[in-house]
Amino acid sequence: GQNIDQPTEMTATEGAIVQINCTYQTSGFNGLFWYQQHAGEAPTFLSYNVLDGLEEKGRFSSFLSRSKGYSYLLLKELQMKDSASYLCAVMDSNYQLIWGAGTKLIIKP
Amino acid sequence: GAVVSQHPSWVICKSGTSVKIECRSLDFQATTMFWYRQFPKQSLMLMATSNEGSKATYEQGVEKDKFLINHASLTLSTLTVTSAHPEDSSFYICSARSILAGEVYEQYFGPGTRLTVT
Repeated sequence: GQNIDQPTEMTATEGAIVQINCTYQTSGFNGLFWYQQHAGEAPTFLSYNVLDGLEEKGRFSSFLSRSKGYSYLLLKELQMKDSASYLCAVMDSNYQLIWGAGTKLIIKP
Repeated sequence: GAVVSQHPSWVICKSGTSVKIECRSLDFQATTMFWYRQFPKQSLMLMATSNEGSKATYEQGVEKDKFLINHASLTLSTLTVTSAHPEDSSFYICSARSILAGEVYEQYFGPGTRLTVT
């Protein structure tokens, strides 16, 4: 079967750095996505990785290792507005997105 | 970037009635649209995938006669919740994907529709 695993909840301090991990097992691989979702809102796109390595975009970076079936989202200089759920999703061989359950990130002052 | 709209953003209806939710791609042609449902504190659950001009493909456990999906044009898909019950109360989100635009790898999400059935 297809499976995406990520921690249920994480807590971090404002101004600090946090890394949210995601491991996956899917039928084929056409890229891995990270989305941010604030409570009561739809997901918004953060990053896309299809090749191994690190993609940096401002305070957010995403890493992929296809051989390990592993990705992480790194958030730097955390701000209170970063409190949200972070969803990892993998696009399988049929170009369908397989979603993780999401990681709720709580930022404390 | 590509924009997807949903209407209404929230709706309250009585049990037994039907509700239609519209999803529109505003600045691109969506060859494929997806309908998701999300219950509180849970992840997105794909309900169905629809390609323009053809019947929707429903995920296992989703009743196609209860959740009617129409994708009549490249910019509009509708989800009709028929004979709604309180357990249908949820956050419904559509997303659209355009292969024509070459950006096959990204789905653009609408803002979601909050349905409450009383």
